[in-house]
Amino acid sequence: DTGVSQDPRHKITKRGQNVTFRCDPISEHNRLYWYRQTLGQGPEFLTYFQNEAQLEKSRLLSDRFSAERPKGSFSTLEIQRTEQGDSAMYLCASRSPSGGSSYNEQFFGPGTRLTVL
Amino acid sequence: AQTVTQSQPEMSVQEAETVTLSCTYDTSESDYYLFWYKQPPSRQMILVIRQEAYKQQNATENRFSVNFQKAAKSFSLKISDSQLGDAAMYFCAYRNPTSGTYKYIFGTGTRLKVLA
Repeated sequence: DTGVSQDPRHKITKRGQNVTFRCDPISEHNRLYWYRQTLGQGPEFLTYFQNEAQLEKSRLLSDRFSAERPKGSFSTLEIQRTEQGDSAMYLCASRSPSGGSSYNEQFFGPGTRLTVL
Repeated sequence: AQTVTQSQPEMSVQEAETVTLSCTYDTSESDYYLFWYKQPPSRQMILVIRQEAYKQQNATENRFSVNFQKAAKSFSLKISDSQLGDAAMYFCAYRNPTSGTYKYIFGTGTRLKVLA
């Protein structure tokens, strides 16, 4: 168990460019979450996957954002036509299937820090 | 809508002393989970402690314990014998029981400084 990993850890881009982030959850975890954390705030929920199905999207996830989890393993979060307001830490978390002592716990990755110039 | 409030943006504690971080929440649900997560600088968030709302007994994990007051909707974290490694951002989180996603609602965090 190597934990949740995210790539890249840091991304600097110019306004208007597209960016894509990757999240690799803990291998047996079929539930995956994306959160956004801006400076001075707690993480805010963006979207949730169970296996490959995207079951919930926050209103924070505008049309410029798209997330996928094509084979129920890793997930990608793409932001098109980035804006300065998109600058934030993007966190990925995963959770195990039903049962087990850690069922209710989300395990977080280190995050991708996005800076839009 | 459920909300989580952490009213202390920053707290300081002397090494080996005890500190309490506050968290209040608002919900109309009766069954839910509450969590405290620690986020060290430039490192990932890790779970410190969790509390099931249906349990009256306060959760304890080594030097960390909670004071869960369900009627008051209060969930404070007590750190005993503070260590330099406890310095971090601490987030209180509520798990929405009515959402099948089990998504978290976080507070704004408390930055804990530990003084040597």
